[in-house]
Amino acid sequence: QVQLVESGGGLVKPGGSLRLSCAASGFTFSDYYMSWIRQAPGKGLEWVSYISSSGSTIYYADSVKGRFTISRDNAKNSLYLQMNSLRAEDTAVYYCAREPKGAVGWYFDLWGRGTLVTVSS
Amino acid sequence: EIVLTQSPGTLSLSPGERATLSCRASQSVSSSYLAWYQQKPGQAPRLLIYGASSRATGIPDRFSGSGSGTDFTLTISRLEPEDFAVYYCQQYGSSPKLTFGGGTKVEIK
Repeated sequence: QVQLVESGGGLVKPGGSLRLSCAASGFTFSDYYMSWIRQAPGKGLEWVSYISSSGSTIYYADSVKGRFTISRDNAKNSLYLQMNSLRAEDTAVYYCAREPKGAVGWYFDLWGRGTLVTVSS
Repeated sequence: EIVLTQSPGTLSLSPGERATLSCRASQSVSSSYLAWYQQKPGQAPRLLIYGASSRATGIPDRFSGSGSGTDFTLTISRLEPEDFAVYYCQQYGSSPKLTFGGGTKVEIK
């Protein structure tokens, strides 16, 4: 079954750290570019970070640059997001999402169900 | 950064009616880089349209996308009960940066 499953969310204090994981199955993970996208409670979608299939190219949204680190382990079919110096405004459901292979443009055809990160004292 | 403004914020319609959702960009967007998603409560977004007008796999033909430049439209020709949801447009620009619109909620009248 083609799917993405996120894990690692939870409650963390401001200034704390958290590492999210995304397990991919049912497709050749190493062929695909991946992103993390978040959604604050009751709000819209915000792209967070992108990583190429090999991991050689990485991009971040300005709001997380310098605090978050995206990585992947193609041998383990897994995507990660290391989040440091967390702030209240980082509270959101975090989705991992797949870009279609060979896509013209940048969009997402497969999403996980998300993992909730709550930053609060 | 390109800002996407979706209107209306909420659309109240009855099943069987036609829905027209607007997505306006603050700068010109390549049609190849405009996508639409549907999101239901408690679920992840689902890709509907990419390249402004191409339907994603498995998407019914009552969903159509159109537009170019700064003005894009998602049309649902006849609303089915399962179409009541929030819809987001998304663009990819230079930098690289990817942005989403604020969403349009289609609710049952």
